[in-house]
Amino acid sequence: KNQVEQSPQSLIILEGKNCTLQCNYTVSPFSNLRWYKQDTGRGPVSLTIMTFSENTKSNGRYTATLDADTKQSSLHITASQLSDSASYICVVSIRNQFYFGTGTSLTVIP
Amino acid sequence: KAGVTQTPRYLIKTRGQQVTLSCSPISGHRSVSWYQQTPGQGLQFLFEYFSETQRNKGNFPGRFSGRQFSNSRSEMNVSTLELGDSALYLCASSSIAGTYEQYFGPGTRLTVT
Repeated sequence: KNQVEQSPQSLIILEGKNCTLQCNYTVSPFSNLRWYKQDTGRGPVSLTIMTFSENTKSNGRYTATLDADTKQSSLHITASQLSDSASYICVVSIRNQFYFGTGTSLTVIP
Repeated sequence: KAGVTQTPRYLIKTRGQQVTLSCSPISGHRSVSWYQQTPGQGLQFLFEYFSETQRNKGNFPGRFSGRQFSNSRSEMNVSTLELGDSALYLCASSSIAGTYEQYFGPGTRLTVT
């Protein structure tokens, strides 16, 4: 069964600190892996997209890494800001099939 | 360029009723996908339309249906609503089928009482 699991389920960090969110998947082989940010009451917004041959992709303070051997991806957030408070969703796709993680809820406090 | 728009944003219905949700994709995008999002299940794929044809379908009962018009606008219909259908329904558009890069709308919050 293809699955995407994210950890932790929720996370609270102080403003200015770094954090790392994890995504483990069993979907194989996959076309690409994406990280989305979803603010409360809004639709998800794409942060990074990586193909299976890429091992890192950055978007400002967000850096995603991919280890295809261990089937793990992580999203690292540097110097967190209050506006980073959101849900972060990992999505793995094979051609037209999408497999979603249930997300990590991040809260950044002052 | 305007983003993906969904109407209505909020909706309250009672069990047994039916509902139609609307999605207007980004101009020029021909692929529209629909998702259901609930706190327990996360995002679940409903179906994808491209050029008025359903290309892909998730594991949802036949009460969930959709269609796409020639202008790429899409509608999703849920008949005989159940309490478990309460969710955020998201629409995403893409310029090509296979949805390499999807842009999501703000969603329609459906509450079934």
